[in-house]
Amino acid sequence: NAGVTQTPKFQVLKTGQSMTLQCAQDMNHNSMYWYRQDPGMGLRLIYYSASEGTTDKGEVPNGYNVSRLNKREFSLRLESAAPSQTSVYFCASSEALNSPLHFGNGTRLTVT
Amino acid sequence: AQSVTQLDSHVSVSEGTPVLLRCNYSSSYSPSLFWYVQHPNKGLQLLLKYTSAATLVKGINGFEAEFKKSETSFHLTKPSAHMSDAAEYFCVVSDFGSARQLTFGSGTQLTVLP
Repeated sequence: NAGVTQTPKFQVLKTGQSMTLQCAQDMNHNSMYWYRQDPGMGLRLIYYSASEGTTDKGEVPNGYNVSRLNKREFSLRLESAAPSQTSVYFCASSEALNSPLHFGNGTRLTVT
Repeated sequence: AQSVTQLDSHVSVSEGTPVLLRCNYSSSYSPSLFWYVQHPNKGLQLLLKYTSAATLVKGINGFEAEFKKSETSFHLTKPSAHMSDAAEYFCVVSDFGSARQLTFGSGTQLTVLP
């Protein structure tokens, strides 16, 4: 029962470097999400994909891009990392929008 | 617009005593409400959800929450705390009128003392 799998678990980048965070779910869910978690701020939505082939901006999309590669996979790309993007990133999936979310274990990203 | 406020950033209880984590919300529509729990270095896990079927909602691990529309509250309770309940808890509101889907509270860190 893998659920939602995120890679990598940890990453350190220098300012200006790029990277892609990978996420895959095996529950046949339609909707997928990327959140960032910062101390005292709860989770903030970066981008989401209501269904395969669609993506939409969330609350904090600046500096990020996403790709819904297929129904299973939803990747998050940082084109030019900044220290303000130091955070823990969570991927989640749900059967539909507003259904309960299933979360991965997170990627801890540090940008120096 | 929707919002959610968790009234306590930290709560400490002794093992075996009741737990109360407070959450107030605002919503333009009839909301769905959730509580999630996050253990260290893990993703969030759903504890329970309210979707208008019943105002008292029972969840996993002995937790329950009561939806009070007049007070715009959705407080989480458990009669007797266990050491394994130590974690961070998030109250979440979902408003069908919002294109941004779920809004998370800032979290309440629960400490359980032996």
